[in-house]
Amino acid sequence: NAGVTQTPKFQVLKTGQSMTLQCAQDMNHEYMSWYRQDPGMGLRLIHYSVGAGITDQGEVPNGYNVSRSTTEDFPLRLLSAAPSQTSVYFCASSYSTSREKLFFGSGTQLSVL
Amino acid sequence: GEDVEQSLFLSVREGDSSVINCTYTDSSSTYLYWYKQEPGAGLQLLTYIFSNMDMKQDQRLTVLLNKKDKHLSLRIADTQTGDSAIYFCAERGGKDTGRRALTFGSGTRLQVQP
Repeated sequence: NAGVTQTPKFQVLKTGQSMTLQCAQDMNHEYMSWYRQDPGMGLRLIHYSVGAGITDQGEVPNGYNVSRSTTEDFPLRLLSAAPSQTSVYFCASSYSTSREKLFFGSGTQLSVL
Repeated sequence: GEDVEQSLFLSVREGDSSVINCTYTDSSSTYLYWYKQEPGAGLQLLTYIFSNMDMKQDQRLTVLLNKKDKHLSLRIADTQTGDSAIYFCAERGGKDTGRRALTFGSGTRLQVQP
């Protein structure tokens, strides 16, 4: 059972470049989300989805797009990378109803030069 | 918005007990969590407590919740070097049902000295 899989593990971008961070889960979770982790600031929610075809903004959505065409996949897109987006990104998923446990991927470390 | 605060660093000797503290502001919190993050890894759920409980014990871990003071603590008995990690407190507010988002503290780095 793979759980939550994120790719790539590391990425370096130049300012203005675009890229997609991939996230996939094989637990049939309806809820999926993206967080960014910055030193001294904990984790902040970027975007989330409560099911296929449904996405919504979190606390820090600017500069990021998401889509949810399948239950399994929830990619995060940076259309024009900025140095302020240098961070560690985590994808997390959970069951949709009363189960509260969030399962995290191992993270993507992104540097924007 | 709601806030979760933790001290940034704790150092203990192997075999001692560790106590990591957390305060939060959301009075409607339903669940409170402790996550562990080892270097280069994602967050792993250690334990959680429902807001109508005041204590939960799971092997070496004891969670205490003082809802009146909005204070949560994690006690690790007989701390081992493998417990060295960053520990995140998180809460899920009752008003947040649709988003199912957690509000995280900034993490407490636990250093266990042999």
